[in-house]
Amino acid sequence: VIWMTQSPSLLSASTGDRVIISCRMSQGISSYLAWYQQKPGKAPELLIYAASTLQSGVPSRFSGSGSGTDFTLTISCLQSEDFATYYCQQYYSFPYTFGQGTKLEIK
Amino acid sequence: EVQLVESGGGLVQPGRSLRLSCAASGFTFDDYAMHWVRQAPGKGLEWVSGISWNSGSIGYADSVKGRFTISRDNAKNSLYLQMNSLRAEDTALYYCAKEGVAVAGFDPWGQGTLVTVSS
Repeated sequence: VIWMTQSPSLLSASTGDRVIISCRMSQGISSYLAWYQQKPGKAPELLIYAASTLQSGVPSRFSGSGSGTDFTLTISCLQSEDFATYYCQQYYSFPYTFGQGTKLEIK
Repeated sequence: EVQLVESGGGLVQPGRSLRLSCAASGFTFDDYAMHWVRQAPGKGLEWVSGISWNSGSIGYADSVKGRFTISRDNAKNSLYLQMNSLRAEDTALYYCAKEGVAVAGFDPWGQGTLVTVSS
């Protein structure tokens, strides 16, 4: 099983800020990593796949980087609609796993 | 429009069984791997199981291995999850999700079906 450590679990920020969420793997996964956004009462939505490829329709203020074991999601210039919970996911091998989640809240 | 609609959830006693279904539309179902992901109330996401386009590759989370069985019927554009020996800790919202082309994350997800295991 590939273990994931996502940090921080809670992030307080203001509109216009730049924030970074990290995800570390227990073993290398090349670039088989995705990031999702989930708002209360809604299904998760794919933001980024292959570590750094922006899903169609996702604003360019979202970006992803990393490969191997260390990955980051960066949101530049936070907008009000970005306050949500974010998850990383590895799909390198079964069982696929998700990070614990990062709740991004308004400061 | 790609659409995934889950059904089959409900209240079930511990030790009993339940079968979830996911009806897919708006895409060529047998071109894509499919997955089940669950979310316990107030908790994070947990991948449950996945199945390749031709059912040749199947995986399970350790927490459900030996109790849950994933399957698909490409002729009916449907995905299933047979859940046996249910436990209280299986209580969750169960989502069905389509895997992207060339293994590119899960998109989209259905709205989920709630399974409650309680006596």
